[in-house]
Parts: sequence; C-alpha cells; structure tokens
Amino acid sequence: SAVISQKPSRDICQRGTSLTIQCQVDSQVTMMFWYRQQPGQSLTLIATANQGSEATYESGFVIDKFPISRPNLTFSTLTVSNMSPEDSSIYLCSVLRDSYTGELFFGEGSRLTVL
Amino acid sequence: DAKTTQPPSMDCAEGRAANLPCNHSTISGNEYVYWYRQIHSQGPQYIIHGLKNNETNEMASLIITEDRKSSTLILPHATLRDTAVYYCIVRVGGNDMRFGAGTRLTVKP
Repeated sequence: SAVISQKPSRDICQRGTSLTIQCQVDSQVTMMFWYRQQPGQSLTLIATANQGSEATYESGFVIDKFPISRPNLTFSTLTVSNMSPEDSSIYLCSVLRDSYTGELFFGEGSRLTVL
Repeated sequence: DAKTTQPPSMDCAEGRAANLPCNHSTISGNEYVYWYRQIHSQGPQYIIHGLKNNETNEMASLIITEDRKSSTLILPHATLRDTAVYYCIVRVGGNDMRFGAGTRLTVKP
C-alpha cells in the first residue's frame, strides 16, 4: 500500500500567518485529494489535485485561501493562507490507491491550531 | 453522489459481532457502497466496498440488500481496537470520497 508522509504533523500558528503542508507519497499517483477535518467533525473535501493541471476546489473553498501545488506525481502542498482560529483543523492528504477498487489511502494528517 | 444515513453511535461487546447499518435509499445503479473507519487521531482506513453482491475480506463483511437501498457492515468478532468512527459512503468509483457523519462504534470489554 502507498505510504504517505505529511509535514508538519502538527503546528501552532498565529492569526494572519500562512502555513504550507507537504504531502509526499512513496509511489507515483495521478490523483491526490486534500481534506479538512474540523474538531469533532467529519472530513470535508477541499480540492482535488492532479499533476499538470490546476486543482479543482469544492464549494466553499477558494484558491486564494487554500492554494495547492502539484509539481510531480509524488508530491503536493496545501497552503492555508491568512489563518484565523476557524482554520484550526486536521488537514489530510489522500491518494487514489487502486483505480479499480476506488480505494483511497490517507496520510495521518496535519493538526493545525491557530491562536 | 447519493446521501447516506447512519446511526450516530453504537456499542458492542468485545468478541461479539458488530453490525453497523447504513441507509442509502437514493443510490443509483452505478454507485458503489464503501466503508471506511477512522480510529482516533489517525487518517481514515479503507475497510471494504461492494456494488450489489455481498463481500467479505479479512476485516469485515458487507451485506447489501437486494434493492440496494441499505447495507450492513459486519465485524464478526469485535475487539477493543475496532473502536472507531465508521463511515458509509456511496459513490461512483474512481475519484474523490465524500464523508458523512458516520457511526461512532465503541467496543466494550
């Protein structure tokens, strides 16, 4: 199974600053996904990141707030810009592990606290 | 993608079977039923999926009704490590996964 490494695993940030979360996969994958999980809540899809094209954002998420890069088939970054306490969440990177089964594989997440 | 309805929480005794229901009455013919679980402080983990036939793997069994409007995930011999939030998702396979609220299963000794 794919191994996903996310950095940082957790961070505490000040209001108004930005943080970039990195997602490294140990094999080449076409589709990567970024999710947010607010405290006590389920996961919400932020965007889909395909290599070589701009990310596709879900309703309620915009590129200016959550810019995403996908420079190659094993790496992606998500930036949380101009942070506020409402951005305190776990951010998870996910990849399509098996296109036949549709199974997604998730990283352990990056826990972000904004003061 | 079709919406799912799950009970918010369930308890199960250790060693007994855990049966987690899911309603998906608006499921369309080409949508699969997926189950994931999330153990505290970890990323979600794939369990099983199916289209219309019952499925079994080393983790669980998935029973889908004939009309496909509901399904049940069965953990045959629940252990304390099975305590987690279980998500039932229906979607056309291959792309993103959209999570509902899930069922918080607590396995008790």
